[in-house]
Amino acid sequence: QKEVEQNSGPLSVPEGAIASLNCTYSDRVSQSFFWYRQYSGKSPELIMSIYSNGDKEDGRFTAQLNKASQYVSLLIRDSQPSDSATYLCAVNPGGFKTIFGAGTRLFVKA
Amino acid sequence: KAGVTQTPRYLIKTRGQQVTLSCSPISGHRSVSWYQQTPGQGLQFLFEYFSETQRNKGNFPGRFSGRQFSNSRSEMNVSTLELGDSALYLCASSVSGRDEQYFGPGTRLTVT
Repeated sequence: QKEVEQNSGPLSVPEGAIASLNCTYSDRVSQSFFWYRQYSGKSPELIMSIYSNGDKEDGRFTAQLNKASQYVSLLIRDSQPSDSATYLCAVNPGGFKTIFGAGTRLFVKA
Repeated sequence: KAGVTQTPRYLIKTRGQQVTLSCSPISGHRSVSWYQQTPGQGLQFLFEYFSETQRNKGNFPGRFSGRQFSNSRSEMNVSTLELGDSALYLCASSVSGRDEQYFGPGTRLTVT
């Protein structure tokens, strides 16, 4: 079992829709969770972090964490073509090593 | 505040050579992590440094090494390059090593 699992996609949504990206992790003691966006040929860019169970909102983005289910998700509201990218879920189990999922490719159709 | 910088941005080397990559973190960040990114393997953790000490290391051969200087700048070295070392090498800095990481633009290494 991979430590951080994401559906590779591609996930295709129409412009203006909500995109839902999901991630599961294997280490129950994980404390820190991050979502990154990576455009083709560029380096990952931090979207947001979440540390506590529940929802955290930042503009059009909402991260959701459920530690009991070992599940973290990212919702993108009012999706735009510029949101088309690969989204990486990252988990820190408490040490000095952050583990990344393989990423989900998102396409937003105009 | 200036972001993470990496030099060089592109490198072409031949098998058997060695290479040194450099990373300057965001001012005030003492943790620097290095990653290798390839299309097939995704982002793979190489090592993490904090205050000149390596605190964690990934599953890479000993040909991959690193160090950190007193100003938090870090270098990684790959000796005896192999074709499979062709990848995008990314460094990321953070305050503690457990919090948000900010990535540099990466160094694209091609081994021929």
